[in-house]
Amino acid sequence: AQSVSQHNHHVILSEAASLELGCNYSYGGTVNLFWYVQYPGQHLQLLLKYFSGDPLVKGIKGFEAEFIKSKFSFNLRKPSVQWSDTAEYFCAVNGRGGATNKLIFGTGTLLAVQP
Amino acid sequence: ETGVTQSPTHLIKTRGQQVTLRCSSQSGHNTVSWYQQALGQGPQFIFQYYREEENGRGNFPPRFSGLQFPNYSSELNVNALELDDSALYLCASSFGGQRNTEAFFGQGTRLTVV
Repeated sequence: AQSVSQHNHHVILSEAASLELGCNYSYGGTVNLFWYVQYPGQHLQLLLKYFSGDPLVKGIKGFEAEFIKSKFSFNLRKPSVQWSDTAEYFCAVNGRGGATNKLIFGTGTLLAVQP
Repeated sequence: ETGVTQSPTHLIKTRGQQVTLRCSSQSGHNTVSWYQQALGQGPQFIFQYYREEENGRGNFPPRFSGLQFPNYSSELNVNALELDDSALYLCASSFGGQRNTEAFFGQGTRLTVV
């Protein structure tokens, strides 16, 4: 079965703390991986994506993620969070070269950053 | 802003009614996908339209149907609404139904079924 698992449903951090959000996927075949962010009242925005090449990808706003194929993981990291990072974060996967761009999303992680 | 616009932003319908949601894709994009996001869940794929044809469908019943127009805008129609259809409906546009491209999302339509 195709699925994405996000281990942390709610995370509360203080400003300047480091962040790591876990994401594991189950998918037959080669995958593309994504992290999306949804700020309060706003649309889903792409943080970063992995299609191929260097497994360490850098995204916007200082976020990065590492694709570890052997662990079927794509964890999101940021060395120092800011209050403005308060949002919901979604990990997603689709099949590379598949018939559609169908994305399979995890259930999301709600991050609250305290000033 | 992504250039993907959805209307209306909020909607309240009664069980058994029908609803039509609309999406304008980003300029240059020919593919539109629809997702349902229930409270506390991640978005679930409903279906995708590529060059006016449905080319992929998720695990949703036939009362969920759609259209894509020559200008690549799209509609999602839901018949015989049920209480469980209450959710945020997201539209995403991209280029190329089969290519490895990123999808750009609209702000969604919040549907409440009472």
